[in-house]
Amino acid sequence: AQSVTQPDIHITVSEGASLELRCNYSYGATPYLFWYVQSPGQGLQLLLKYFSGDTLVQGIKGFEAEFKRSQSSFNLRKPSVHWSDAAEYFCAVGPSGGGATNKLIFGTGTLLAVQP
Amino acid sequence: NAGVTQTPKFQVLKTGQSMTLQCAQDMNHNSMYWYRQDPGMGLRLIYYSASEGTTDKGEVPNGYNVSRLNKREFSLRLESAAPSQTSVYFCASNPTGRETQYFGPGTRLLVL
Repeated sequence: AQSVTQPDIHITVSEGASLELRCNYSYGATPYLFWYVQSPGQGLQLLLKYFSGDTLVQGIKGFEAEFKRSQSSFNLRKPSVHWSDAAEYFCAVGPSGGGATNKLIFGTGTLLAVQP
Repeated sequence: NAGVTQTPKFQVLKTGQSMTLQCAQDMNHNSMYWYRQDPGMGLRLIYYSASEGTTDKGEVPNGYNVSRLNKREFSLRLESAAPSQTSVYFCASNPTGRETQYFGPGTRLLVL
């Protein structure tokens, strides 16, 4: 069955520290991969996406993610966290094949807290 | 350019009441989606619409109906609300299936 796993429900880091949020997926073929961020009371905003090509993708707000096919992972990283990064982060996968719609499967999210 | 808008922002219903959640996008997108978000479960797809005039079930369609009124609007209807439908509902859209989905701000629904 297709699924996305975010093993860390909650992470706390100090401001200025590095960050890595984990995402593992189970999918029949090479999927499209996304990271979204949700600030409290807000909708989801796309941080970055991987469709093909270079497996290290850069996103907004200084985030990057690396697609590792052998590990079925798409971990999100940031070298230095800012207090404004406190939010919930969602990994999602979608079909890379044809079709008119992209039925995304979301992970359960990782809530990031940033200590001063 | 407002993107994806949803109304209402917040609603309280009693069990058995009906209501319609409205979603509109002004980006000329073909595909639209309804998700629900519950604590510890991420977002789950309720229904989607590949294009005007078509709708299909997602992962959790029971208890819901949808209407793709035109290219801009995609509504979600609860005919007889149940406490299990207490959730935050998000509408999303994208140009076609393989592209980034853009999300609305959400509707918080409480069913008593």
